[in-house]
Amino acid sequence: GQQVMQIPQYQHVQEGEDFTTYCNSSTTLSNIQWYKQRPGGHPVFLIQLVKSGEVKKQKRLTFQFGEAKKNSSLHITATQTTDVGTYFCAGHRGSTLGRLYFGRGTQLTVWP
Amino acid sequence: ETGVTQTPRHLVMGMTNKKSLKCEQHLGHNAMYWYKQSAKKPLELMFVYSLEERVENNSVPSRFSPECPNSSHLFLHLHTLQPEDSALYLCASSQDRTVDPAFFGQGTRLTVV
Repeated sequence: GQQVMQIPQYQHVQEGEDFTTYCNSSTTLSNIQWYKQRPGGHPVFLIQLVKSGEVKKQKRLTFQFGEAKKNSSLHITATQTTDVGTYFCAGHRGSTLGRLYFGRGTQLTVWP
Repeated sequence: ETGVTQTPRHLVMGMTNKKSLKCEQHLGHNAMYWYKQSAKKPLELMFVYSLEERVENNSVPSRFSPECPNSSHLFLHLHTLQPEDSALYLCASSQDRTVDPAFFGQGTRLTVV
């Protein structure tokens, strides 16, 4: 079954509004990564969080990793049309298999 | 971006054809991956290679055959595909497959007719 759940699947906002996507794992993750895929493009790595409760910022983007290392969120403040795309979370489970578990992604549409 | 390069970018093939997808990474990474991305489905991991050794085959049909001749190159050989195999095929690489992020190529948009 799906190891990493991500909600919402779709989000439509007006430019200037905030946006948040949530990621939940059924098991503890050793790290959480976030990727962005523009329409017609490929996933591009944004950031990785490793520590429990870690918070990182990239300009208008704020990434959080939960205390239990099972959930994460990406928050965008004052969205712009350039933020359009699908945001994926992904995480390793700390096993030697090395599989990276991806969420289904949240497709963000920003109206001007 | 030139870190991970995939060719061709687009491919249309008949069900009886044989074709190959190519991936090359210039990042010095040790692991390479093939993913399948279909509409409205999550990214599906197909194969994982670590130091040129296949370490994972995620129940992929035998009509998909990967090859990793060295740590910089990865191929996906295709034969007798089905229309439902039409998708975006993404190659990725990472330094350490157990902890590091994946860097993706631009993908091959495959259409099986």
